[in-house]
Amino acid sequence: DAKTTQPNSMESNEEEPVHLPCNHSTISGTDYIHWYRQLPSQGPEYVIHGLTSNVNNRMASLAIAEDRKSSTLILHRATLRDAAVYYCILRGYGGATNKLIFGTGTLLAVQP
Amino acid sequence: DAGITQSPRHKVTETGTPVTLRCHQTENHRYMYWYRQDPGHGLRLIHYSYGVKDTDKGEVSDGYSVSRSKTEDFLLTLESATSSQTSVYFCAIRTAGGADTGELFFGEGSRLTVL
Repeated sequence: DAKTTQPNSMESNEEEPVHLPCNHSTISGTDYIHWYRQLPSQGPEYVIHGLTSNVNNRMASLAIAEDRKSSTLILHRATLRDAAVYYCILRGYGGATNKLIFGTGTLLAVQP
Repeated sequence: DAGITQSPRHKVTETGTPVTLRCHQTENHRYMYWYRQDPGHGLRLIHYSYGVKDTDKGEVSDGYSVSRSKTEDFLLTLESATSSQTSVYFCAIRTAGGADTGELFFGEGSRLTVL
């Protein structure tokens, strides 16, 4: 499985945008980019995913580089509830496994 | 809420004893997973299942076995628990949102302490 590289931690101020980077230089053409986050004392939750085009949903936006070797999760207005560990994960399309391999993620701290 | 229940939520046991963790789902999803989470390691996949009686190993399967005799239950067994298996265990299911989505829903976790 291709690996991802994320900063160990980041800080943000409340109500400001947050850009969480992820490098995945060995990504293959069929790998999807998934983001999950884990709030304190909870299981991870799905945030967003994409393949080539930028994606938006109610939680966040995902910006994918043209060469697909990096991506950025964008939280448009950080709130205190967004303080969590954010995981960037690659997953191959189809196959019998459909498994996700998590890394250590980025710990996002949000200051009031 | 994908209807996932893990039990027990907390357990303290002694080295050498068998332990079984249960993951129960109410929505008949095909794919189920067991992860463990430890400080400095993130989440690591132990075993997963892609149907009744269909299971396979993940990254850290040594010392663990699983069983899935019916769709709704995925059991994780530590035949002889060791202190290195002290961890928080998460069960997850994959919803039928399409082969490319792969969206997982996680349970609330089971904290296991092996003394």
